[in-house]
Amino acid sequence: SQQGEEDPQALSIQEGENATMNCSYKTSINNLQWYRQNSGRGLVHLILIRSNEREKHSGRLRVTLDTSKKSSSLLITASRAADTASYFCATAAFLAQKLVFGQGTRLTINP
Amino acid sequence: DTEVTQTPKHLVMGMTNKKSLKCEQHMGHRAMYWYKQKAKKPPELMFVYSYEKLSINESVPSRFSPECPNSSLLNLHLHALQPEDSALYLCASSQGERRYEQYFGPGTRLTVT
Repeated sequence: SQQGEEDPQALSIQEGENATMNCSYKTSINNLQWYRQNSGRGLVHLILIRSNEREKHSGRLRVTLDTSKKSSSLLITASRAADTASYFCATAAFLAQKLVFGQGTRLTINP
Repeated sequence: DTEVTQTPKHLVMGMTNKKSLKCEQHMGHRAMYWYKQKAKKPPELMFVYSYEKLSINESVPSRFSPECPNSSLLNLHLHALQPEDSALYLCASSQGERRYEQYFGPGTRLTVT
């Protein structure tokens, strides 16, 4: 069954604003990862947060993880047109041998 | 070198054709993956190779046949495909299975006519 469910499915904001995407999952995880995919291209790994971590930063990205609520959020600050892409969370469960991807959030940054 | 390469970028094939997709990485990664992705959907795992051995087959039809000739190469052999197999096929690699971040290639856009 699908591990990660993302919210919202689509998000459109103005350049310079912050974008927040959420991911929920169902079982215990080893880590949670976020990926970006530009239209029709391969996925790019953004950030990995382990189950014993609560927050992680990378440049304009901030990821939080709440294992009690089985949820994570990805915040992109000061958005740029180049941030327009689909964003996927992916979970690595303790008992599974693979990553399971959420449905993704399609982010559009309007100039 | 943190790149995963895939060839070809685009492929159009008939339902009776045999073709192969190729994937290569030189990062010393020991796990390699094939995913299938339909438009506006997340990648769906097809196969995982770990240390050149097939470790996961997600009940993929036999018309898809993976091969890992060595630790840097991954092939996907295609035969007698159906139009519904048209999709973006992504290859990825990682240091190990599951717990590690995956590096993706740009994908092969496959159209079955």
